[in-house]
Amino acid sequence: DTEVTQTPKHLVMGMTNKKSLKCEQHMGHRAMYWYKQKAKKPPELMFVYSYEKLSINESVPSRFSPECPNSSLLNLHLHALQPEDSALYLCASSQVEVGTAFFGQGTRLTVV
Amino acid sequence: AQSVTQLGSHVSVSEGALVLLRCNYSSSVPPYLFWYVQYPNQGLQLLLKYTSAATLVKGINGFEAEFKKSETSFHLTKPSAHMSDAAEYFCAVSDRSGGGADGLTFGKGTHLIIQP
Repeated sequence: DTEVTQTPKHLVMGMTNKKSLKCEQHMGHRAMYWYKQKAKKPPELMFVYSYEKLSINESVPSRFSPECPNSSLLNLHLHALQPEDSALYLCASSQVEVGTAFFGQGTRLTVV
Repeated sequence: AQSVTQLGSHVSVSEGALVLLRCNYSSSVPPYLFWYVQYPNQGLQLLLKYTSAATLVKGINGFEAEFKKSETSFHLTKPSAHMSDAAEYFCAVSDRSGGGADGLTFGKGTHLIIQP
């Protein structure tokens, strides 16, 4: 199984809503990542979890709150987002030491 | 800090012609280099990677890339383009200098167009 599964595939939320994005992998990877990708741009790293601990936060606003409840799951909690936060949110996983990242299909988020 | 530069935001080739997508890297330590492909409204799929073993790396779908330290390059090639190769291609680097997972830094991407 070389799959990273993200749910939901599409999400529309209002600026006062609270929602969560979910990511799951069963490859035994102990590093998991959140990336944000705007249209026609490359992915930008948001967070890195290594052995279920947050190791990198790329100065992401606090309205994005990551959580890694166990070695297979990664969540991204969203609250009070702005329209400019609309983007494709990609989850990835890798072995900590080797670093070849496998990506999910992404969640297309629209903030209205 | 590491970075990659992809030359050409758009590349157009005829079906059956050689594909060449350019990537140059900047890194203070020996880098790990990757090429990913992204089809519309999808995630990223790994094409190939360089991790300091063989300098000529073969990937999926007939793609290959050669690591040239003297030129700080990692260009992606395919001998004969197919219509299904039309997609966005990203070069990425990870220097692993921290000894652990540090995420990838991506180039701006090259949109590959295949002319029939």
